[in-house]
Amino acid sequence: GDSVTQMEGPVTLSEEAFLTINCTYTATGYPSLFWYVQYPGEGLQLLLKATKADDKGSNKGFEATYRKETTSFHLEKGSVQVSDSAVYFCALITFQGAQKLVFGQGTRLTINP
Amino acid sequence: ETGVTQTPRHLVMGMTNKKSLKCEQHLGHNAMYWYKQSAKKPLELMFVYSLEERVENNSVPSRFSPECPNSSHLFLHLHTLQPEDSALYLCASSQDTTATYEQYFGPGTRLTVT
Repeated sequence: GDSVTQMEGPVTLSEEAFLTINCTYTATGYPSLFWYVQYPGEGLQLLLKATKADDKGSNKGFEATYRKETTSFHLEKGSVQVSDSAVYFCALITFQGAQKLVFGQGTRLTINP
Repeated sequence: ETGVTQTPRHLVMGMTNKKSLKCEQHLGHNAMYWYKQSAKKPLELMFVYSLEERVENNSVPSRFSPECPNSSHLFLHLHTLQPEDSALYLCASSQDTTATYEQYFGPGTRLTVT
């Protein structure tokens, strides 16, 4: 079945460091890809998305490019802030009767001042 | 604020209790979802409703009983739960289930079964 694999966490960085969180997927067809973020004590918020190959999603300084050839959707940010500390989830949408979001296991990111 | 609210935010219940979780969306969406988020496991889709009809039931034990009285409200009725059911239960909504519309999540209900 369809699946998403994220890099193991937790990830700890200093403020202004460069961030990469790896995400690869397995899917039949051409899924849409998403990054969601979960801040402490809150639900998931959509961070960015890409719906076809070579699309780049971006928001709040984060970017991810849909790479069909490597089945990847890595999340990057050039300079992280303490406020970026959260859990990040990579996900894809598949259709098996109805829309289903398939999530990776999540990566906890902590940014130290 | 995503437009999806959940109550209560925290719930502690014994294994013999009956309780209900409530979700409400203010986005005019037609599809609603229940997810379970356990420690160290990926989010698990439990139920999907489209226009108040259940379209997905992911082998969830019968001690979890969903109800969708209208397209804005979704409930999860709980009875005779087990300690392993302790988790964060997330509700989400989307425009519908037939295309790649993003899902909007509520803040979740943190459930502890004692």
